[in-house]
Amino acid sequence: EAAVTQSPRNKVAVTGGKVTLSCNQTNNHNNMYWYRQDTGHGLRLIHYSYGAGSTEKGDIPDGYKASRPSQENFSLILELATPSQTSVYFCASGGQAANSDYTFGSGTRLLVI
Amino acid sequence: QQKVQQSPESLSVPEGGMASLNCTSSDRNFQYFWWYRQHSGEGPKALMSIFSDGDKKEGRFTAHLNKASLHVSLHIRDSQPSDSALYFCAASWSNYNVLYFGSGTKLTVEP
Repeated sequence: EAAVTQSPRNKVAVTGGKVTLSCNQTNNHNNMYWYRQDTGHGLRLIHYSYGAGSTEKGDIPDGYKASRPSQENFSLILELATPSQTSVYFCASGGQAANSDYTFGSGTRLLVI
Repeated sequence: QQKVQQSPESLSVPEGGMASLNCTSSDRNFQYFWWYRQHSGEGPKALMSIFSDGDKKEGRFTAHLNKASLHVSLHIRDSQPSDSALYFCAASWSNYNVLYFGSGTKLTVEP
């Protein structure tokens, strides 16, 4: 069954440390996305990608980098983690057509102390 | 400033009742609208889409779109406890597949 798998499910990081969140999809979708979910803000777009080698900035890219080394994998990198980046992060994949829906992963809960 | 706004923030309805959720947008370039549902501890899942003005019905769920006023609504009839979840409205432009989500409505269906 096609799916989006995120790892780790939970992560505790120290302020100033580097954090990498990983995402793998078996949907053969060209597009992949990273969102963060915070109460009162819903889902906010951080970075997205149209295919291997491409990354684009979303609405809140500051403090985050993204990497798309292959069709299947899309990573979110926090070079210098801060407590304000404590959140739940969701990865999603979707087709290229504007009327295509997304498949989301189960999320990564990140706590920066 | 979020491009998609939802109301109410939370909603409680009795089992068997009607739940009505609302969504408006500030961006007239949006052409495609979605409702996503997220149960606790899971990722959001697409519930239904609506791309044309008027109503779209899928089982107990009816979406309504008015592009002129950029207003979308979702109505759930005969609400069940399993419908208790966080509901997101999302919208995209015509030449991208980048979805912008609202802040969500938490629906509680009380047995």
